[in-house]
Amino acid sequence: SQTIHQWPATLVQPVGSPLSLECTVEGTSNPNLYWYRQAAGRGLQLLFYSVGIGQISSEVPQNLSASRPQDRQFILSSKKLLLSDSGFYLCAWSDSRNQPQHFGDGTRLSIL
Amino acid sequence: DQQVKQNSPSLSVQEGRISILNCDYTNSMFDYFLWYKKYPAEGPTFLISISSIKDKNEDGRFTVFLNKSAKHLSLHIVPSQPGDSAVYFCAARSSSNTGKLIFGQGTTLQVKP
Repeated sequence: SQTIHQWPATLVQPVGSPLSLECTVEGTSNPNLYWYRQAAGRGLQLLFYSVGIGQISSEVPQNLSASRPQDRQFILSSKKLLLSDSGFYLCAWSDSRNQPQHFGDGTRLSIL
Repeated sequence: DQQVKQNSPSLSVQEGRISILNCDYTNSMFDYFLWYKKYPAEGPTFLISISSIKDKNEDGRFTVFLNKSAKHLSLHIVPSQPGDSAVYFCAARSSSNTGKLIFGQGTTLQVKP
C-alpha cells in the first residue's frame, strides 16, 4: 500500500534562517506531488505541484521554493524565513489527476 | 477570489442525527469535487468524491450531493457519531491536466453525545 512521510512534525525557526521540509511517498511511481499551507483559521492553499522529476509549478509568489530531486521525493525550501511563513505545511500525492490526493500528517512551522 | 466557499465555520449536531455540511463554488469548469476530514495536528483524510456528471454519491454513512445549476454541494452524515467531530473541507478540481485542487475554508463539526 502507498504511504506518505513528512518530517519534521514540528519546527521552530528564527526569522532569517533557512528551511528544508521533506516529503517522500512509498508504494507508487511517478505520483503527482503537492505542497499546501494552511494558515490559522483558513483553508488549504496550494503552493507548488509537480507532475514529474524536476518539474515544479508555483501557484503563488512567495518566499518559498520546491524541488523534486527524485521520483517520490518533494522538498520545500526557503533561504530566509519570514514571520509570515508560519503555518501548517502539508504534502500530498495522487496517482493521477483523476484520483484523490492523499496527505501527510503535516509540519507545524513557527517562526520567531 | 475564493472560488470554493464553506460559509459555516462551525456546526454542532446531536449524536444519531444528521449532519449537513455545505459548500458553494463559483467556477463552472470544476469537474470533480471531494470532501476531506481533518483532525487536529493531522493531515486531511479523503472521505468521498463526486464527478460533475453525477448528482449523488453514497458511501456508508456519507453521501455527497451535487447541484450544478446552483453550484452547490453538500455532505450528509447519517447517523452522526462523536468520532465524526473534526474539520471538514470541500475541494474542487481546477485543472484537468494536473489534478490541482481548490479548497474551502473548512467547517468544524462537533457531534455531541
